[in-house]
Amino acid sequence: DVKVTQSSRYLVKRTGEKVFLECVQDMDHENMFWYRQDPGLGLRLIYFSYDVKMKEKGDIPEGYSVSREKKERFSLILESASTNQTSMYLCASSGLGRSRPQHFGDGTRLSIL
Amino acid sequence: AQSVTQLDSQVPVFEEAPVELRCNYSSSVSVYLFWYVQYPNQGLQLLLKYLSGSTLVKGINGFEAEFNKSQTSFHLRKPSVHISDTAEYFCAVSDDTSGTYKYIFGTGTRLKVLA
Repeated sequence: DVKVTQSSRYLVKRTGEKVFLECVQDMDHENMFWYRQDPGLGLRLIYFSYDVKMKEKGDIPEGYSVSREKKERFSLILESASTNQTSMYLCASSGLGRSRPQHFGDGTRLSIL
Repeated sequence: AQSVTQLDSQVPVFEEAPVELRCNYSSSVSVYLFWYVQYPNQGLQLLLKYLSGSTLVKGINGFEAEFNKSQTSFHLRKPSVHISDTAEYFCAVSDDTSGTYKYIFGTGTRLKVLA
């Protein structure tokens, strides 16, 4: 079974801090994704990566950056955390091709105080 | 660009009753469609997928979905629900317009199974 592991289930940070969310997958997947999930808005794509060191902006990239130095690891960075970034963050991975389903981690619930 | 609409934000249903969760997508030449389930405090788990072939797709936990190209719909059904089916359900379509591998998700439907 595919395993996508997010480093923290719950995280509390302060406004202005630089925040790192880590995601690791163990199935040698090419594609990795970061979403945020908010009530009533569903899942919104922040960034995705289709190869090491490659990244593309999703629908809501403002205030975020990403890093993919190794194939199995995809990090989401909040450069200067703000209260409106309090949310559930979900990482996913998939193999090559549109037909491949995405596999999700358990999520990180991030609170910015 | 693709869009996905889940019209029902919440669906209450009694245990052992049938349920249908609706999903409509905007038209496209070819689509790949998915249903995911999210239990409380967990990530999303794949229920089923439509890639091609038979329009009736069977998934895990007794769920099935029917692809209807003319109505651009992919509704999820279960003939008899259990308390344990209480969760949020997301419909997703693979976007073929951008040449990348993005999914477009609906806003989700909360299924509440009542005893």
